[in-house]
Amino acid sequence: QVQLVQSGAELKKPGASVKVSCKASGYIFTNYAIHWVRQAPGQGPEWMGWINAGNGDTKYSQKFQGRVTMIRDATASTAHMELSSLGTEDTAVYYCARVGATYRGMDVWGQGTTVTVSS
Amino acid sequence: DIQMTQSPSSLSASVGDRVTISCRASQSVTSYLSWYQQKPGKAPRLLIFSASTLQSGVPSRFSASGSGTDFTLTISSLQPEDFATYYCQQCYITPHTFGLGTKLEIK
Repeated sequence: QVQLVQSGAELKKPGASVKVSCKASGYIFTNYAIHWVRQAPGQGPEWMGWINAGNGDTKYSQKFQGRVTMIRDATASTAHMELSSLGTEDTAVYYCARVGATYRGMDVWGQGTTVTVSS
Repeated sequence: DIQMTQSPSSLSASVGDRVTISCRASQSVTSYLSWYQQKPGKAPRLLIFSASTLQSGVPSRFSASGSGTDFTLTISSLQPEDFATYYCQQCYITPHTFGLGTKLEIK
């Protein structure tokens, strides 16, 4: 079945970087985009950016520009999101989600990766 | 950034009730609007895309309408599994902003 499986929870210190992985299965990885969304405790979702899994093109939210890097390994059907210069405000659940055509929304989601930033 | 404003922020209703949730965009998003349902500890689930198209597998008691800046999500007859938080999201202009959510609770 179509699924996205994310890497495990992370505990990081302020100033560190974190890399979250998202492995796709059950569909042709390069035919879709992968979007990244995070959700801080008790808050609504926040869109971070997306990567075209076919050609690797990216678009980041201005909020994260300069701190976020999204890449994909097409041979492994895996997308990665790295966020640097972490602060306590980056504590959140990070999700990857699949998107076909933009208007079709995020139809398949990963299970989420909890990132905790604490000294 | 486009601001998405949902109302109400919370809603109490009973099984069998008809409920409507509103979402307003700070500028036109044409029909690039999706609705998601989220239960505690779970990822959001896509219900509606393109403002009014039901995602495959979603029960027909869910419907939605709107275009431009004003959108609504309607649940025609609430079922126990529908008590959750609902979010709208525009995907017209990046960043693809979400509303703050509507928490639907059992009365």
